[in-house]
Amino acid sequence: AQSVTQLGSHVSVSEGALVLLRCNYSSSVPPYLFWYVQYPNQGLQLLLKYTTGATLVKGINGFEAEFKKSETSFHLTKPSAHMSDAAEYFCAVSGYNAGGTSYGKLTFGQGTILTVHP
Amino acid sequence: KAGVTQTPRYLIKTRGQQVTLSCSPISGHRSVSWYQQTPGQGLQFLFEYFSETQRNKGNFPGRFSGRQFSNSRSEMNVSTLELGDSALYLCASSFTSGTYNEQFFGPGTRLTVL
Repeated sequence: AQSVTQLGSHVSVSEGALVLLRCNYSSSVPPYLFWYVQYPNQGLQLLLKYTTGATLVKGINGFEAEFKKSETSFHLTKPSAHMSDAAEYFCAVSGYNAGGTSYGKLTFGQGTILTVHP
Repeated sequence: KAGVTQTPRYLIKTRGQQVTLSCSPISGHRSVSWYQQTPGQGLQFLFEYFSETQRNKGNFPGRFSGRQFSNSRSEMNVSTLELGDSALYLCASSFTSGTYNEQFFGPGTRLTVL
């Protein structure tokens, strides 16, 4: 089984400050990890994903995340917050069935609401 | 290219009724997954369909069912609705089934059960 823990259900930053959203995962197989963003009354939009290769992943809107296997973490960062970044962010890990075959199942963390103050 | 569309966007039902939600994937995508989003339980996987076959199923009661048509459009059905079924139901499509295929999400159907 796989699981994701997002530390902090609410994070508040000032505009221009560093954004750091924390995500830790548990997986018995090499994980594929994702960060999604959800704006009010909308679906989820993919920010970035880690599959294999480079552990520092760059995404859209200036976000990036680093896969750290030793820490089982995949934290999301952005150097300078913008008002438009205010939204809910979800970390997710891809799923495998009991036979080890991967399917289109994402296991999500509980989400982190990011508030950006002027 | 049109995104994932879900109909209806909002739905109000009463306990005991049944409901059918529809999802049209991005053109060319053959995999459709469904998720339930609630404030208490967060985002939970319901099931995935690929080429009209259910590939994987989440931990939901049998009242929740789905199907996929030959054009990849998918429907999910919830029978004998309960108050706890009130949620945002999200559909996601991807080109094929697999771990790292990006899933594109629709805007969701907001179901309210009274």
